[in-house]
Amino acid sequence: QKEVEQNSGPLSVPEGAIASLNCTYSDRGSQSFFWYRQYSGKSPELIMFIYSNGDKEDGRFTAQLNKASQYVSLLIRDSQPSDSATYLCAVNPLGSQGNLIFGKGTKLSVKP
Amino acid sequence: KAGVTQTPRYLIKTRGQQVTLSCSPISGHRSVSWYQQTPGQGLQFLFEYFSETQRNKGNFPGRFSGRQFSNSRSEMNVSTLELGDSALYLCASSPQGSGELFFGEGSRLTVL
Repeated sequence: QKEVEQNSGPLSVPEGAIASLNCTYSDRGSQSFFWYRQYSGKSPELIMFIYSNGDKEDGRFTAQLNKASQYVSLLIRDSQPSDSATYLCAVNPLGSQGNLIFGKGTKLSVKP
Repeated sequence: KAGVTQTPRYLIKTRGQQVTLSCSPISGHRSVSWYQQTPGQGLQFLFEYFSETQRNKGNFPGRFSGRQFSNSRSEMNVSTLELGDSALYLCASSPQGSGELFFGEGSRLTVL
């Protein structure tokens, strides 16, 4: 059973701090990794994807991938109250196009 | 560019009935995938279609089926509804079926 694990939270950080969201996955053959953000009552939206080991930065967001440890993380710098949402980690298993395995999400709350 | 459109947005059915949900992908996107979202199980993959062919299917019973038309629009059908089928059904499209998904607003199904 291929799984993606996330701490459900809630993770509470003060405004301006760094929020660190973590995710582990079970399928060692997984090739691509995604972070989606879901506001309450809304559908998920893609914020980052990463395919290679290391860091990938996009504005205030940094995705980190360590395939040896089967670990993906998302850092949000200068967190804003508008970042308060559930963050979903998703993994595309090897040989499985169009099929993502999602974690259950980490709820982030940024306090003003 | 118009986003992914799902209809109907809300529906209420009784046990034993069947339901058909519709999804119009972003123009030019050939891949359409369907997910079920519940509070307990999170987002779970149902199936993915690319150019009218089902490429992947999740671990759901045969009561769940889908299809894709030549214009990339997709439908999913659930027959013999059960109480546990109550969920938010999300459709997502992508250009080639990668994990970079664009989600619709979802169809919220309540089974009484």
